[in-house]
Amino acid sequence: EPEVTQTPSHQVTQMGQEVILRCVPISNHLYFYWYRQILGQKVEFLVSFYNNEISEKSEIFDDQFSVERPDGSNFTLKIRSTKLEDSAMYFCASSAWDRGPDTQYFGPGTRLTVL
Amino acid sequence: SQELEQSPQSLIVQEGKNLTINCTSSKTLYGLYWYKQKYGEGLIFLMMLQKGGEEKSHEKITAKLDEKKQQSSLHITASQPSHAGIYLCGADKALNAGGTSYGKLTFGQGTILTVHP
Repeated sequence: EPEVTQTPSHQVTQMGQEVILRCVPISNHLYFYWYRQILGQKVEFLVSFYNNEISEKSEIFDDQFSVERPDGSNFTLKIRSTKLEDSAMYFCASSAWDRGPDTQYFGPGTRLTVL
Repeated sequence: SQELEQSPQSLIVQEGKNLTINCTSSKTLYGLYWYKQKYGEGLIFLMMLQKGGEEKSHEKITAKLDEKKQQSSLHITASQPSHAGIYLCGADKALNAGGTSYGKLTFGQGTILTVHP
């Protein structure tokens, strides 16, 4: 069964460093998303991406964040200068098209730890 | 903005018992997703409900969307240790608003289910 994959599973970085989280969505999906979950808190929407551009972003998704689909298979989230409060689990998700986004399938997540 | 409240926050049951988890919305629900998460892992899709009064079942899990009560319930029959985990409800803003959907999901805080053998 097709699934969303994410790498790395765990990333440790120093405050101020740039990190890139990678995702391979399900191959025939057209919508891509990033969510994050700070330990003990709700899963929060960051950004949605369709047709090579951002469809919607939350207030969390400020200028420090960017997303890219560099080729036909990968979808990346870049954090330019990490802060302590960026420590969280980051989930990538993808969905097909059915007169709009369909069910979102999530990857296993990348645990980001900022020291 | 859409707020989802789940109850209970945690639940401990003996294997074989039935249980229900509720998800209540501050706004009328027209579309709702149920996911299961194991601690520290990704979200596994369970079911999506789009129509008021809709009910779906998969194996021993049944989910219902009650539009009038602005609530969805997830019922597990004859629970097993494999059912243990965190159950999350999520709502698609656009499915609720009836407009164009970009798929932004808003989640409840989750219900932690423990099943003792």
